[in-house]
Amino acid sequence: NAGVTQTPKFRILKIGQSMTLQCTQDMNHNYMYWYRQDPGMGLKLIYYSVGAGITDKGEVPNGYNVSRSTTEDFPLRLELAAPSQTSVYFCASSLTGLEGYTFGSGTRLTVV
Amino acid sequence: DQQVKQNSPSLSVQEGRISILNCDYTNSMFDYFLWYKKYPAEGPTFLISISSIKDKNEDGRFTVFLNKSAKHLSLHIVPSQPGDSAVYFCAASGPRIKAAGNKLTFGGGTRVLVKP
Repeated sequence: NAGVTQTPKFRILKIGQSMTLQCTQDMNHNYMYWYRQDPGMGLKLIYYSVGAGITDKGEVPNGYNVSRSTTEDFPLRLELAAPSQTSVYFCASSLTGLEGYTFGSGTRLTVV
Repeated sequence: DQQVKQNSPSLSVQEGRISILNCDYTNSMFDYFLWYKKYPAEGPTFLISISSIKDKNEDGRFTVFLNKSAKHLSLHIVPSQPGDSAVYFCAASGPRIKAAGNKLTFGGGTRVLVKP
């Protein structure tokens, strides 16, 4: 059972470039989330989804977009990378949202 | 405005002794609290949780205490083991409405080092 899989694990982007962080889960969870963790800080919610076709903004959505066309996949899109987006990004999922999340291992992104 | 705060960024404890991690929150709508453990280069893993209708929840060496009037919770690890060395995050959710996504708000984390 793979759980939550994130790709890539590491990426360096130049300012203004775009990329998609991939997240897929095989647990048939309805709820999926994207968080970012800045050095020495807690996790901040970027976007979340309560089911296929439904997404909503979290605490820090600016500069990001998401889609949820299937239950399994929840990609995060950065359109114009900025140094402020240098962070570690975590995807998480939950069956009902009423229990603890299952997190992926993270994507470390550096924007230079 | 940090709604969940962990005021101790680090904690060092001797193996076999008790580790006590603290967390404070400001949002009175929070009604579910969780602790996560995170090793370097890995995602956080769920450790233990507590509902606001309880004041204590125990799971093996881990116990979480909730003081609603003080808006404070703590995690006790007894006895501490070297493998417990990690960053611990406190998180809160509420009100727990499915349509609202039951989003978690995290504290900044406490790095625990258990010395052999």
